[in-house]
Amino acid sequence: DAMVIQNPRYQVTQFGKPVTLSCSQTLNHNVMYWYQQKSSQAPKLLFHYYDKDFNNEADTPDNFQSRRPNTSFCFLDIRSPGLGDAAMYLCATSRGARGSAYEQYFGPGTRLTVT
Amino acid sequence: AQRVTQPEKLLSVFKGAPVELKCNYSYSGSPELFWYVQYSRQRLQLLLRHISRESIKGFTADLNKGETSFHLKKPFAQEEDSAMYYCAPPPAPDYKLSFGAGTTVTVRA
Repeated sequence: DAMVIQNPRYQVTQFGKPVTLSCSQTLNHNVMYWYQQKSSQAPKLLFHYYDKDFNNEADTPDNFQSRRPNTSFCFLDIRSPGLGDAAMYLCATSRGARGSAYEQYFGPGTRLTVT
Repeated sequence: AQRVTQPEKLLSVFKGAPVELKCNYSYSGSPELFWYVQYSRQRLQLLLRHISRESIKGFTADLNKGETSFHLKKPFAQEEDSAMYYCAPPPAPDYKLSFGAGTTVTVRA
């Protein structure tokens, strides 16, 4: 009963070649997040959507973009991947009702390799 | 800014020994804190949250407002508890979740 699905699980791309990672959810949650997690480090938030409202973290490079065409899907686009972008990318969702602290549900992640 | 600190990067205990993972928070407002766990090759998942006051897999976490802490404890560690543990402040009101640095727990037989 996968609730947050990420495809592909493993992605290899070439230096500078655009790549898109996808995430889908069956929870009907308002909020979707993208995190970057490098080896032995905590996940780092890149951006999130509350419904269609996009919220970018101040230190997220312009190289990273996101799209959320509907409630269920969210995409992470890396326009020109560099070697330093090799990481695990995690998608997460939460209910996001204002004034409440809801848990996040994470996908299994996509491991990106840049050659 | 909402912030949590996990002072221990690595924690190694023997099976059956107590284990305590430290988390301190440094923000005002309602401290509805969370503990997330990431087992090897599994997705990051919620372990427990302060507001529910429950025990999950033998773990408990007590909020101490005087010490601004939310330490995670288990009286008898098991080998399957070996994982990465993250303390996290509440995502409200801006829905962002910023994890602590994480503590890697290794339970040895």
